[in-house]
Amino acid sequence: GAVVSQHPSWVICKSGTSVKIECRSLDFQATTMFWYRQFPKQSLMLMATSNEGSKATYEQGVEKDKFLINHASLTLSTLTVTSAHPEDSSFYICSAPALAGKDTQYFGPGTRLTVL
Amino acid sequence: GNSVTQMEGPVTLSEEAFLTINCTYTATGYPSLFWYVQYPGEGLQLLLKATKADDKGSNKGFEATYRKETTSFHLEKGSVQVSDSAVYFCALSVRNRDDKIIFGKGTRLHILP
Repeated sequence: GAVVSQHPSWVICKSGTSVKIECRSLDFQATTMFWYRQFPKQSLMLMATSNEGSKATYEQGVEKDKFLINHASLTLSTLTVTSAHPEDSSFYICSAPALAGKDTQYFGPGTRLTVL
Repeated sequence: GNSVTQMEGPVTLSEEAFLTINCTYTATGYPSLFWYVQYPGEGLQLLLKATKADDKGSNKGFEATYRKETTSFHLEKGSVQVSDSAVYFCALSVRNRDDKIIFGKGTRLHILP
């Protein structure tokens, strides 16, 4: 089946630094990708929709300037956590629909971010 | 708005026991319904889905039936295995251009040998 990869799988950084997380669709193209945040023992919360060639669409309450999203190509979306703080520590997951308009998503394995 | 409510875990069962994980939803429009599974250390995987009322999704011995009258999509398996230990997420997607998925909080399942 379709594969979505994320890099890095985990990262530890100091407070105040920025961290970039990559999401790639390995064997299909994705004009849209989604970024989620998962807190321990909780569900996935949709943060934003990444759109190839245009601006990302952010969910209510998500800071655009803190979570920068760039969808540079049909197989790559990046999430940059700027000026990270300990409260940004979380598990970040991306997903992509296999074909535009399809309601089945393929998920990446996630990236564990720990901010010291 | 759209939301999904599923039973809180953890759920602990013995091998070969019958499993039910309850899921109910609220949605504007006509949603597609899903169960996703997250095995330890892995990403979410689609387990099964149903796109219209009375449809039954099934995979790996798991089943769930789309019940519009009760707005439910309960997950069942007749005989669980240790390898079924994972976190199960009920989810919905309302068909539109955005393809967004709304997830429940997840139910952790432990199967004892």
